[in-house]
Amino acid sequence: ETGVTQTPRHLVMGMTNKKSLKCEQHLGHNAMYWYKQSAKKPLELMFVYSLEERVENNSVPSRFSPECPNSSHLFLHLHTLQPEDSALYLCASSRRADDEKLFFGSGTQLSVL
Amino acid sequence: QKEVEQDPGPLSVPEGAIVSLNCTYSNSAFQYFMWYRQYSRKGPELLMYTYSSGNKEDGRFTAQVDKSSKYISLFIRDSQPSDSATYLCAMSGVSGSARQLTFGSGTQLTVLP
Repeated sequence: ETGVTQTPRHLVMGMTNKKSLKCEQHLGHNAMYWYKQSAKKPLELMFVYSLEERVENNSVPSRFSPECPNSSHLFLHLHTLQPEDSALYLCASSRRADDEKLFFGSGTQLSVL
Repeated sequence: QKEVEQDPGPLSVPEGAIVSLNCTYSNSAFQYFMWYRQYSRKGPELLMYTYSSGNKEDGRFTAQVDKSSKYISLFIRDSQPSDSATYLCAMSGVSGSARQLTFGSGTQLTVLP
């Protein structure tokens, strides 16, 4: 398998649930990202990991908790989300953290009821 | 005022038409300019990448940057139904880092057969 793979593709959760999003990249890249994409809005950068170290946290609420166990895998742990958190969550990777060329996965469409 | 402005569309054109997609920006420090294409239920994919001003051509696609007007364009010649997608512009400053990427909100394009 090549590129950036995200699972699940779709997720529906209640406000009291705990769930996790998974991302895996097969490109040998050293940087990984979480983005939020809401309808008619620009992509919002949430977290950046470089060589498994978090290098950016764009004032994201603590109900979103990232984890990067190695340079190929990235998780986003979700708990007590709000309906306004419903969006497409995109994982991306780049060769290095200072490389502007991003490779995206297909995303997880999240609905919070 | 948003840092990057992009007309959301939707834009519908007949097959074979020349398509012009545009973004304006306010930050004169932007040096790296990108266009991403996002098909329905997929993540964005990098389509064109340019540094500073000028034109860049790749097949039926031409990216144009006018830094004096703070205006970038993507032209699609001989448009095809397979070009139907949302097109996102993105730009970053001197560092060229994805961490400083600012995205437009996207223009939805439909090419009618």
